[in-house]
Amino acid sequence: AQSVTQLGSHVSVSEGALVLLRCNYSSSVPPYLFWYVQYPNQGLQLLLKYTSAATLVKGINGFEAEFKKSETSFHLTKPSAHMSDAAEYFCAVSETSGGTSYGKLTFGQGTILTVHP
Amino acid sequence: NAGVTQTPKFRVLKTGQSMTLLCAQDMNHEYMYWYRQDPGMGLRLIHYSVGEGTTAKGEVPDGYNVSRLKKQNFLLGLESAAPSQTSVYFCASRTGQGNTEAFFGQGTRLTVV
Repeated sequence: AQSVTQLGSHVSVSEGALVLLRCNYSSSVPPYLFWYVQYPNQGLQLLLKYTSAATLVKGINGFEAEFKKSETSFHLTKPSAHMSDAAEYFCAVSETSGGTSYGKLTFGQGTILTVHP
Repeated sequence: NAGVTQTPKFRVLKTGQSMTLLCAQDMNHEYMYWYRQDPGMGLRLIHYSVGEGTTAKGEVPDGYNVSRLKKQNFLLGLESAAPSQTSVYFCASRTGQGNTEAFFGQGTRLTVV
């Protein structure tokens, strides 16, 4: 069974500082990996996804994530935080093998990002 | 573009009451999902459907039923609501091909008192 662990339920940074949100997964085969963002009282919006084409994935709003198979990690980064980045971020995985996962996502617990002026 | 639309957005139920949450998507997606979101637990899959007329259980299916009579609609039913079902419910859809991302609705905030 797959599992996803996001280290740190809350992360606080100053505006302009580096954002690092951690995600580790457990899967028998390299999965597909996603980062979603949820703004208050809204649904989830895709930030970026890893599909094995490249280990460094660029997403929207200046975010990027690097897939490290040896560390089973897919950490999300942004060089300079903006106030508008304040939201909850979710890492998610779905299986790749056999086509029987039907795109079901397993989510991490979420990380709330706070950005201070 | 409407995308994925959930109805209603908010609801308060008394214990034992029933209700149906409606999810509609206009993207001709094959796969549809219902998740619940609880603080500190991320989103957990309740039920899903891989096509019209098909449904399957997810991680936390107890107390819920679903139906997919039309490709564009996926209904989530609570026959006898319990306080443990207080949550935010999200519907999602995606194509059945490749590794495309899922598109989410805006959520339904349900409180069972």
